[in-house]
Amino acid sequence: DSGVTQTPKHLITATGQRVTLRCSPRSGDLSVYWYQQSLDQGLQFLIQYYNGEERAKGNILERFSAQQFPDLHSELNLSSLELGDSALYFCASSVVGRGRGEKLFFGSGTQLSVL
Amino acid sequence: GQSLEQPSEVTAVEGAIVQINCTYQTSGFYGLSWYQQHDGGAPTFLSYNALDGLEETGRFSSFLSRSDSYGYLLLQELQMKDSASYFCAVRGGSQGNLIFGKGTKLSVKP
Repeated sequence: DSGVTQTPKHLITATGQRVTLRCSPRSGDLSVYWYQQSLDQGLQFLIQYYNGEERAKGNILERFSAQQFPDLHSELNLSSLELGDSALYFCASSVVGRGRGEKLFFGSGTQLSVL
Repeated sequence: GQSLEQPSEVTAVEGAIVQINCTYQTSGFYGLSWYQQHDGGAPTFLSYNALDGLEETGRFSSFLSRSDSYGYLLLQELQMKDSASYFCAVRGGSQGNLIFGKGTKLSVKP
């Protein structure tokens, strides 16, 4: 158990809908990352938050947004869903946002299926 | 931009040694990491190299050459449980994004 909690584990929805994925980082970790994993694309970096502020942004679509709350949990919002958004979404946390010896701890992921 | 290249698949036999290579392109390089992911599981951290040279952790070792923008993960005394996907990841760029390669699927045969 990594200590990172993601809910829900599975999500089935229809095209055009909106969903929210939730992540609770390990106790004491200030940084949260979101990654999308599909079969042919590996782990795609979406966005990183550090202590409530956006730290880095990757290939995140405009239909997607995220935030990190004062209690450090994070939510990833996906709207106007398309079939191609079906993927495994991982959240990860770390103690520091950037630096030497950094180690990410991944949650078990949310499997999103858009039908 | 940032990019990483690693082989898509590698097959080896139990007890053997296998090397998984990773080449990267990035600006503002901070370090190279390796993660392991079993089918249906989450990635787990294996190693991190910020400086040139070899880092050893049990049966696994990781190497970095910053001048060549190249690293590798060396797995010794392979076991069936080592069958998994292995990802290299690099932190770099103006924002320090942590970017992963597409992964190398290692199959260990008896």
